Amino acid sequence: QVQLQQSGPGLVKPSGTLSLTCAVSGDSVSSANWWNWIRQPPGKDLEWIGEVSHSGNTNYNPSFKSRLSISVDKSKNEFSLNLSSVTAADTAVYYCARLGVHSDYALDFWGQGTLVTVSS
Amino acid sequence: DIQMTQSPSSLSASVGDRVTISCRASQGISSYLNWYQQKPGKAPELLIYAASSLQSGVPSRFSGSGSGSDFTLTISSLQPEDFTTYYCQQSYTTPWTFGQGTKVEIK
Repeated sequence: QVQLQQSGPGLVKPSGTLSLTCAVSGDSVSSANWWNWIRQPPGKDLEWIGEVSHSGNTNYNPSFKSRLSISVDKSKNEFSLNLSSVTAADTAVYYCARLGVHSDYALDFWGQGTLVTVSS
Repeated sequence: DIQMTQSPSSLSASVGDRVTISCRASQGISSYLNWYQQKPGKAPELLIYAASSLQSGVPSRFSGSGSGSDFTLTISSLQPEDFTTYYCQQSYTTPWTFGQGTKVEIK
């Protein structure tokens, strides 16, 4: 069974960088699947952030493009999110998820979620 | 970006009821439409992919239909654990986008 385990700080200062990691088990980040980040502000809807492939190719939501970086680490079988210049508007629960080729590119496995609060 | 619009935003129903939730895309997306269930404090879970394919392990009371720009999620007989929020999502082109959610509440 595929499992995604998220880690990273739950509090980030304004203008700082939000960094989260998603460790994958039961699959390889070197597979044909894509590795995604999604967020959900408290009480609000889901918002796609971006994704990375096994080769390091990325697709980003234009809303974040200038301050976003998503990367993959094959040696650790994990992928990471870095979002710079954060503000209170970036306070949200952040999820990692697998976009599965065998589910016609649906988000078929998700991490547990990490609440990140941007505050001084 | 492709806009996804769900209706209704919320509905009230009873255990055993048949429930339908609609999702409309702002442009045609073929069958690249997925449905998720999200319980409070939990990550979303995939129910239906490619408009009508049931994800492994999901009860058969859930079904999906549609193509092009109009889609439907149907729950044939609501169970107590089904009272929660449902989202549609298009996987036709990036940025992937979600509907605003439909909350199914107990009548």
